[in-house]
Amino acid sequence: AQSVTQPDIHITVSEGASLELRCNYSYGATPYLFWYVQSPGQGLQLLLKYFSGDTLVQGIKGFEAEFKRSQSSFNLRKPSVHWSDAAEYFCAVGDLLTGGGNKLTFGTGTQLKVEL
Amino acid sequence: DTAVSQTPKYLVTQMGNDKSIKCEQNLGHDTMYWYKQDSKKFLKIMFSYNNKELIINETVPNRFSPKSPDKAHLNLHINSLELGDSAVYFCASSRRGDAEAFFGQGTRLTVV
Repeated sequence: AQSVTQPDIHITVSEGASLELRCNYSYGATPYLFWYVQSPGQGLQLLLKYFSGDTLVQGIKGFEAEFKRSQSSFNLRKPSVHWSDAAEYFCAVGDLLTGGGNKLTFGTGTQLKVEL
Repeated sequence: DTAVSQTPKYLVTQMGNDKSIKCEQNLGHDTMYWYKQDSKKFLKIMFSYNNKELIINETVPNRFSPKSPDKAHLNLHINSLELGDSAVYFCASSRRGDAEAFFGQGTRLTVV
């Protein structure tokens, strides 16, 4: 069964500093990978996704992520963090189902705090 | 226009009550889901419906019963609510054969 590990529960960065959130996955085939962000009291917003092709994917809000098959990783990066980026970030792996639809397996999340 | 909408956004109720959460999507998707986010913010799938047919039931107690009157709606009915049911419940939808899911804003259920 697939699994996702986000080793960092909390991360604090200063505004303007660079950011990298780690994600490692376990999956038998080529994975569908996602990063979602959840602001306090809000729903889940998709930041970016990787299905195939270029291993460096660009997302919304200036985020990017790189898929590294050899390391089973899909780390999220941002060159300069803004105070509004403070939120919970979830990495997920998607599995297509025979009966239709998909199943997302989420990591435990990384809470990002931004210091002004 | 809201793509996936859930009502209510907040729900506070007493133990033993029965409650429902409604979900509607206007994306034309075939598949809808319920996910549960517990107090530690861990997200896990509960149910998946494809064109009104149950695809996934992830060992959820029988007190939880999803109902899909049509492919644009997936409601969650919970009987005999327990303290441990307190969580945020997210509805989501996707196109058939697509790994990407679109989520609603969530319903925060508090059982007292």
